[in-house]
Amino acid sequence: DTGVSQDPRHKITKRGQNVTFRCDPISEHNRLYWYRQTLGQGPEFLTYFQNEAQLEKSRLLSDRFSAERPKGSFSTLEIQRTEQGDSAMYLCASSLDGVTEAFFGQGTRLTVV
Amino acid sequence: SQQGEEDPQALSIQEGENATMNCSYKTSINNLQWYRQNSGRGLVHLILIRSNEREKHSGRLRVTLDTSKKSSSLLITASRAADTASYFCAADTYGNNRLAFGKGNQVVVIP
Repeated sequence: DTGVSQDPRHKITKRGQNVTFRCDPISEHNRLYWYRQTLGQGPEFLTYFQNEAQLEKSRLLSDRFSAERPKGSFSTLEIQRTEQGDSAMYLCASSLDGVTEAFFGQGTRLTVV
Repeated sequence: SQQGEEDPQALSIQEGENATMNCSYKTSINNLQWYRQNSGRGLVHLILIRSNEREKHSGRLRVTLDTSKKSSSLLITASRAADTASYFCAADTYGNNRLAFGKGNQVVVIP
């Protein structure tokens, strides 16, 4: 499968715990995006990487959230001290430079209990 | 904040009928895209229309864009049960790398 893959698909965690999600984009794509989607809403932008550089962050990305893309390939999104309000689907997408069409992964559904 | 807002929010139609949904946006855009999302899964890109285009076709899909009204419509012709999904419009603006999504349109096609 050469699409965008995300791991894990589901994560249940207790409030206050840290969680980390992984995204593997399409290999030749240099742009990588993280979005968050809550029930009944559209995805909301969190952050964007061009290669290994994190170029844009939404104000939704509080200081408990951190994203990395160390070698310009896969990316991780970590949430520290999770809160119930963090429960959502976290979507990763990738695209080529100069091309707006984004390819999305299946998402990681986080439930904070 | 979300850029696009779809109308109607939910649509239920019989197989074979056409489904039309609209999207409005607030600021000038570079491109507008439509995505489909099946329940609990990721988004699948359907079609992109540029700000200087007025209409675009892809298979059973027809998208229109009216920049004067800041609105777009997606028409699915001869709907099938497999078209049951949520449909989102997403806009990007010049010099901005993020997509701003609407709240989505849930379409149910009854066999």
